Amino acid sequence: KNQVEQSPQSLIILEGKNCTLQCNYTVSPFSNLRWYKQDTGRGPVSLTIMTFSENTKSNGRYTATLDADTKQSSLHITASQLSDSASYICVVSDRGSTLGRLYFGRGTQLTVWP
Amino acid sequence: GAGVSQSPSNKVTEKGKDVELRCDPISGHTALYWYRQSLGQGLEFLIYFQGNSAPDKSGLPSDRFSAERTGGSVSTLTIQRTQQEDSAVYLCASSPGQGIWSYTFGSGTRLTVV
Repeated sequence: KNQVEQSPQSLIILEGKNCTLQCNYTVSPFSNLRWYKQDTGRGPVSLTIMTFSENTKSNGRYTATLDADTKQSSLHITASQLSDSASYICVVSDRGSTLGRLYFGRGTQLTVWP
Repeated sequence: GAGVSQSPSNKVTEKGKDVELRCDPISGHTALYWYRQSLGQGLEFLIYFQGNSAPDKSGLPSDRFSAERTGGSVSTLTIQRTQQEDSAVYLCASSPGQGIWSYTFGSGTRLTVV
């Protein structure tokens, strides 16, 4: 069964600190993995998209890593800001279907305190 | 338009009533998806439209759910005889087409069935 598991479920950190969010998946075959940020009451916004051959990708203070062998990804947030408080969702796409089905994790709820 | 537009943003309906949710994708995007996000749950795939191809309806939870996409642009998700378990945020996303990995989400419609 294709699944995407994220940890931790929730996380509280102080402003300025770093944190790392984890994503494990069993989706096969694998096409790409995305990290989305979803603010309360808004739709998800893409942070990074990684393919099989990519190990790391950065977008400002966000750095995503991918280990396709162990089927694990992480999202590292550096020097957190209050505006980073949101849900971070890991999404994996398969290539078995021509329609590119997306599989979603339940997200990590990050809260940044001043 | 500049983004994916969904309406209404909020909808409260009585159990047993029918509701229609609307999605205006980004102009030129041939692929359109509907997802559902229940409280505390991850995003759940509902239906996928790609150009003039037959839609992938495999995610629709029951025959009370249906969706149309007119003229390859605007889509309407219809829920008949709503039940309380239908209460969720319904998100629409569009992308330029097959094999293109850039998805843009709308802000969603929050449906509450009372």
